[in-house]
Amino acid sequence: AQSVTQLDSHVSVSEGTPVLLRCNYSSSYSPSLFWYVQHPNKGLQLLLKYTSAATLVKGINGFEAEFKKSETSFHLTKPSAHMSDAAEYFCVVSVGSTLGRLYFGRGTQLTVWP
Amino acid sequence: DGGITQSPKYLFRKEGQNVTLSCEQNLNHDAMYWYRQDPGQGLRLIYYSQIVNDFQKGDIAEGYSVSREKKESFPLTVTSAQKNPTAFYLCASVSLAKNIQYFGAGTRLSVL
Repeated sequence: AQSVTQLDSHVSVSEGTPVLLRCNYSSSYSPSLFWYVQHPNKGLQLLLKYTSAATLVKGINGFEAEFKKSETSFHLTKPSAHMSDAAEYFCVVSVGSTLGRLYFGRGTQLTVWP
Repeated sequence: DGGITQSPKYLFRKEGQNVTLSCEQNLNHDAMYWYRQDPGQGLRLIYYSQIVNDFQKGDIAEGYSVSREKKESFPLTVTSAQKNPTAFYLCASVSLAKNIQYFGAGTRLSVL
C-alpha cells in the first residue's frame, strides 16, 4: 500500500528565513516522489522529482528535497523564503503498479510574512 | 503552446442536473486523469484512462462518468447521483516516458 503524510497542515515563516515542509511516505515498491505547488485557484505545478538517481534533488525557484530511505522521508526546503512562495504544497508518491498513478498528501499551506 | 485546457473555469449545477467538465490536451500524452480537491484533503482520484476507449475507476468514482473517444479529450460528467459535487476539479495528463503529470488550471463546481 502507498501513502503520503505531510506532517504540517500549515507553516508560517518570515520572508528571508528558511522553509521546511515535512513529508513521510509509505510504499511497497521503490517509489518516485514529487513535490507540487498550487497557487490559489490554479492547477498544480511540478517543483521537483526524485527517481533514485540522486538523494538530493534540486527543483525550481530555489527549492530542494532530500530522499532519506531509512527515515522514509522526503522533506522540502528552501534557504530563504520569498513572498511569492506563499501557496499550498503537495508531497506525492508514484509507484510502478499503475503507470502514472499518483498518491497525494493532504497538503501544507505555506504563509510568508513580510 | 502545449498544455492542458479545462473549461469552464466556474460551473454551477442545479439540483438533479448532470454537468460535464471539459479537459483537452495537446501534449500527445496517452494517459489522462481526473481528480477532485476538497479543502484539507489533498487530491483524490476519480477516473483515469491510459488509452483511448478504455478507462478505470479511481478511489471516488461514484456519481461520476467519463469517456475517452479521442486521445486529446477526457470529459468528466458529474451526474445527479453525486450528492456533494461542490469541489475543485483538476484534470491531468502524464508523460509516461518522464513519469510526470501535468495539470490543467481546474474547474470550480458549485451547487445552486
